Amino acid sequence: GAVVSQHPSWVICKSGTSVKIECRSLDFQATTMFWYRQFPKQSLMLMATSNEGSKATYEQGVEKDKFLINHASLTLSTLTVTSAHPEDSSFYICSAAAGGLGDTQYFGPGTRLTVL
Amino acid sequence: GQQLNQSPQSMFIQEGEDVSMNCTSSSIFNTWLWYKQDPGEGPVLLIALYKAGELTSNGRLTAQFGITRKDSFLNISASIPSDVGIYFCAGIIQGAQKLVFGQGTRLTINP
Repeated sequence: GAVVSQHPSWVICKSGTSVKIECRSLDFQATTMFWYRQFPKQSLMLMATSNEGSKATYEQGVEKDKFLINHASLTLSTLTVTSAHPEDSSFYICSAAAGGLGDTQYFGPGTRLTVL
Repeated sequence: GQQLNQSPQSMFIQEGEDVSMNCTSSSIFNTWLWYKQDPGEGPVLLIALYKAGELTSNGRLTAQFGITRKDSFLNISASIPSDVGIYFCAGIIQGAQKLVFGQGTRLTINP
């Protein structure tokens, strides 16, 4: 149980384009989903927290207009990187929690974004 | 800023050896979690701890939630090649709701 999937697993795009990443909880309903970014040889850094049907809460320093998050259902959240630039290249990982904030998070396999 | 101090940052051991890593903080935690991350993958939950003093095992892995609620350790016994990877501690600080991560411990095993 507690399986989280992400799609795509990797994506390469040109600078200035937008990229959408999907995160799905496959066998449970996720009240809360989280988006993290991980640069090489570094730890995971929380970008934003989203609850189904409400606006996401962004961490300090994360541009909400650049990283659009939609949590339309209890099993799906999407992260759209708008007008991507090379510095946005990173490993993006989502996680999902069934019981909301404070509950154990289960992580997706990650999406490697490379912006040329 | 970083609220969890994880050590060691890296370990190079022989197959069959035991491994120990820990995380400490100046903050009090309600939950401690230990994850393993393989290259190009997301973290996988190994052990979850919810009570001070709690000692939990998962196969060859054992983790404890410190009595002071400010630290946790993870032990791996009789290491095998598939134990290679990066181990992260993570926790939820008392009064907060977000998960904070340690810097990770990179484990390398020589056969």
